[in-house]
Formats: sequence, C-alpha cells, structure tokens
Amino acid sequence: GEDVEQSLFLSVREGDSSVINCTYTDSSSTYLYWYKQEPGAGLQLLTYIFSNMDMKQDQRLTVLLNKKDKHLSLRIADTQTGDSAIYFCAERPYSSASKIIFGSGTRLSIRP
Amino acid sequence: DVKVTQSSRYLVKRTGEKVFLECVQDMDHENMFWYRQDPGLGLRLIYFSYDVKMKEKGDIPEGYSVSREKKERFSLILESASTNQTSMYLCASSPPGSPLHFGNGTRLTVT
Repeated sequence: GEDVEQSLFLSVREGDSSVINCTYTDSSSTYLYWYKQEPGAGLQLLTYIFSNMDMKQDQRLTVLLNKKDKHLSLRIADTQTGDSAIYFCAERPYSSASKIIFGSGTRLSIRP
Repeated sequence: DVKVTQSSRYLVKRTGEKVFLECVQDMDHENMFWYRQDPGLGLRLIYFSYDVKMKEKGDIPEGYSVSREKKERFSLILESASTNQTSMYLCASSPPGSPLHFGNGTRLTVT
C-alpha cells in the first residue's frame, strides 16, 4: 500500500542546517512535496520535485530525491527561528491524479 | 493568490449534534478535499470531490458525509458528532494534478 514515513521531531541550533527525512513506499509516485505548517495555520506548500529529478534548490531549501531507496529529504540552510514549524512530506501516486498521501509531519524546533 | 476559507477556526459541539464544516475556494478549482489532522498521525483523507456533485471516499470516511452543490463550496457533515471526532479539520483545493492549497483549519471539540 501507499505509506509515507517521517520522524516526529528534530531540534537544531540556530544558524545550522536542518535536514528532514522522509521515506515512501509507492515507487510510481509522480510528484513529491514538502509542506510547512506554522502554529494555528493550515499547510503551506514549500517546494516540490518531480520524480524524474534528483535535486531541486530554491534559495535556502534543497530537496534531494533518491528514487532507488524511495527517500526524500529537505535541507534548510542557515536555520532561523522563523523556520520553527511542522514539515510534512507528501507524495502523489501515479495511480491517482487527485489523491495525495501525507506523512505524519516532523516538528522542527530551533535552539538559540 | 489562492484563497481557501474555512468558515470557523474553532467549534465546540455536543455529542450527538449534527455539525457542518464549510469550505470555500475562490480559484475555480475542480478538486476539493477534507482531511483531519491528529498528533502523530499526520493528515488523513476523509473525502474528496473532483467535480460538482461528485465525491469519493478517502481513507477514513466513517461517520462523515460531504456535499458539493457548487464548485466553490465543499461541506463536511458529521451526522451525529462523537468525542473521537475531536480534531483539526483541514480543507484543501487544487486543479487536477497540481499541489493542494489549504485553508487555516477548523479545530472541532466534541464534548
């Protein structure tokens, strides 16, 4: 079946890089997404990667996709206090044009 | 910018009440979704709709129904609210095959 897994918590020091990892089971995924949820808010799309890409960079964000291992990561360079949030990994299976499967979310906390 | 509006941020209802959660989007998106979010479980899909009057069950439809009479509005209905339906409910919309745009959520407490 389709499943997306993430660790629940990550703590990093301000100014360091954060790396949030995700594994998924559906090898036919077309797109993989990273969403950010700040306290009391809905989910905001951060970035996404098409399954035929290995890497995507957007300012402080770098997404790496290892399709062989079904592993997706999000790296945030120079982590700031405003990056404190829950980060959700999600995949869109090839079998469904509409359905998106979400992980349980990783809560990122920043230490001074 | 896409705007997805959920009519209530917080709701408190009693067990057995009929509850309506409303969601409106302003970008003419075909697809609309209802998820519930619980700590440690992430987002679980309740129902989605890919067109007016069309709906499909998600992963956890039991105890819920939906209505989509107009393209911009997707309602989630709890026919008889129970305490295990206390949760954060998130509505989203998208064109087919595109990323989802989310509302800010409705935190429902059933007592």
